[in-house]
Amino acid sequence: GESVGLHLPTLSVQEGDNSIINCAYSNSASDYFIWYKQESGKGPQFIIDIRSNMDKRQGQRVTVLLNKTVKHLSLQIAATQPGDSAVYFCAEKKNFGNEKLTFGTGTRLTIIP
Amino acid sequence: KAGVTQTPRYLIKTRGQQVTLSCSPISGHRSVSWYQQTPGQGLQFLFEYFSETQRNKGNFPGRFSGRQFSNSRSEMNVSTLELGDSALYLCASSLVTGYTGEQYFGPGTRLTVT
Repeated sequence: GESVGLHLPTLSVQEGDNSIINCAYSNSASDYFIWYKQESGKGPQFIIDIRSNMDKRQGQRVTVLLNKTVKHLSLQIAATQPGDSAVYFCAEKKNFGNEKLTFGTGTRLTIIP
Repeated sequence: KAGVTQTPRYLIKTRGQQVTLSCSPISGHRSVSWYQQTPGQGLQFLFEYFSETQRNKGNFPGRFSGRQFSNSRSEMNVSTLELGDSALYLCASSLVTGYTGEQYFGPGTRLTVT
C-alpha cells in the first residue's frame, strides 16, 4: 500500500558533522515533498520542500535530495548544531491538486556535543 | 506577527465525553488544517478548512468534526471519546489552500482520555 517511511528512527551525530536523514515513499504519483522539524513541546516547523520535477534543492545549511527512481528522499544538514536536535518528518503530497499530506513516522536527531 | 495559537494546551477527559479544541490562525491566513499526532501512528491529517468550507478530509470516523468561522478561527470536536483518541492535536494555518508547504503549526493541544 501507499506509505511514507523512514529508514532510521534515531540518529546521533557529533556537533559540527553533517547529518543525513532518509525517507522512503512508495507512491510514484507523489509530486511534492516536505521536510519538517519538530522540537519538544512545539509543533512541526517547515524546513524545506521539493517538487517532483527537481532532484535537489538547497536552503540554509540544508539540502533535500529526491531520487524518483528508487522513491527516496533525504535531508542533509551541514555542520550540525545543538539546536538541530529534534524529530524530523518527511511528508508527501499525493496527486496534483490534492492538498492532503501524508507524514512519515519521524527520525529523532540527537547532536552530541 | 503572532503565530498560530491553540487552546487549551492540555486537556483531560473521560471516555464517552466530548471535547472541543480551538485554533486561531495567523492573521490573514484563511486555511486551517488539523492533524492528530500519536507515537504509534505519527502525524495524521484530519481535515482542512478554507473560507468556512471543509476542503479535504482524512480517514477518521465521523466522531471527529470541525468547523471554521468567518474570522478563520477553527474548532474541532471529538464526540464519544475513546482511549485511543489520546493524542497531540495540531492545527496549521496557511495563506491559501493547496500550498501546504508553508503551513505554520501551532503548539498543539495535548488530549488525554482516561
